[in-house]
Amino acid sequence: SYELTQSPSVSVSPGQTATITCSADKLGDKKVCWYQQKTGQSPVLVIYQDGNRPSGIPERFSGSNSGNTATLTIRGTQALDEADYYCQAWDGSSVIFGGGTKLTVL
Amino acid sequence: QVQLVQSGAEVQKPGASVKVSCKASGYSFSTYTMHWVRRAPGQGLEWMGWIYGNDNIRYSQKFQGRVAFTSDTSASTAFMELRSLGSQDTAVYYCVARSAAGDFDHWGQGTLVSVSS
Repeated sequence: SYELTQSPSVSVSPGQTATITCSADKLGDKKVCWYQQKTGQSPVLVIYQDGNRPSGIPERFSGSNSGNTATLTIRGTQALDEADYYCQAWDGSSVIFGGGTKLTVL
Repeated sequence: QVQLVQSGAEVQKPGASVKVSCKASGYSFSTYTMHWVRRAPGQGLEWMGWIYGNDNIRYSQKFQGRVAFTSDTSASTAFMELRSLGSQDTAVYYCVARSAAGDFDHWGQGTLVSVSS
């Protein structure tokens, strides 16, 4: 079965750039989206189709996808960005989530 | 505005079934696919499947045979029933209305299902 691999945790200082990766075989051939989930809240879509931001999502969030790796980049990271982040792709007609990355802003 | 309102928390015994509802408003219910996703304590998001219309359904292999999705388009409501519950099914269950392109993506508030004897 197709699997998306994420690092369990990433730490970043406020104002710096956070990079969260998601890897799988030929992932660049698929469209990837990213979700942010804060404690006690429902997930929120922050990037769809590799690099598109939904309305209301700050410009500091960006995404890319090439080769075997998709990347979510958060520039000028703020304390309110601390959350779990999940990549997601389609495998045929099934949805696959990555295991999630806990972003700590300290 | 788009809203997905789910039914309230449930406590069930092992071996029982649970049925969660998801009432949609603010958009044309039949236009978009409804997905079901869960998150167990200490775990990540887990996709369960989707339903489009009344009979176009895809289940995750993990839940095949134990889960059933239905919808009442006249009431703009989707349902997820999970049978033969075990402690590993304790989780928050979400409904998610999505477009194929990904540009329409709205989540319910989640329903906590606790399985305990």
